[in-house]
Amino acid sequence: GENVEQHPSTLSVQEGDSAVIKCTYSDSASNYFPWYKQELGKRPQLIIDIRSNVGEKKDQRIAVTLNKTAKHFSLHITETQPEDSAVYFCAAKETSYDKVIFGPGTSLSVIP
Amino acid sequence: GAVVSQHPSRVICKSGTSVKIECRSLDFQATTMFWYRQFPKQSLMLMATSNEGSKATYEQGVEKDKFLINHASLTLSTLTVTSAHPEDSSFYICSAKPGLAGGRGEQYFGPGTRLTVT
Repeated sequence: GENVEQHPSTLSVQEGDSAVIKCTYSDSASNYFPWYKQELGKRPQLIIDIRSNVGEKKDQRIAVTLNKTAKHFSLHITETQPEDSAVYFCAAKETSYDKVIFGPGTSLSVIP
Repeated sequence: GAVVSQHPSRVICKSGTSVKIECRSLDFQATTMFWYRQFPKQSLMLMATSNEGSKATYEQGVEKDKFLINHASLTLSTLTVTSAHPEDSSFYICSAKPGLAGGRGEQYFGPGTRLTVT
């Protein structure tokens, strides 16, 4: 089955700097890669997603890149703000079984 | 749109009792619902996938007789934790996938249920 790895596990950045979180997946047939933000005790919120037929997608301060050959995808947050502090999860969707497998998460702290 | 609710939000029960958690898609029909468990400071671990009108598919290591899942309608799935033990204490989150042809596979998450077994 699909296995998703994520790095780093924790990340601290100064307000205004950029944050980058990297993920790898194992199933070359996976074709949908969402990113979720989860605040303590809350549900995961979809912040951006990308399909395998696209290499890059951007939404304001957030961008995601995908390298299908290497099975890597990354989240880039620019001009970070304190409210960006949360746990971020990457995920990959197994096409065969229609289920989304989550990475272990990255705890992002933005220091004012 | 795409709102998923979960009830209850918090529940405390005694060891040996059973607890039922409901997951509802409020404004769309969900052909597929997923149940996750999340321990503190850990990721979401998929427990099972349920499709309306059929038996749930459980992930490896998840006891189907302990975690009973029923997906009786296109808007409701229930998870019953039977004979709960303290180690079952966790944050249980459901998600629902709209039954849209050609949909990209996006899931919508419920707010979660915090289960504490004493």
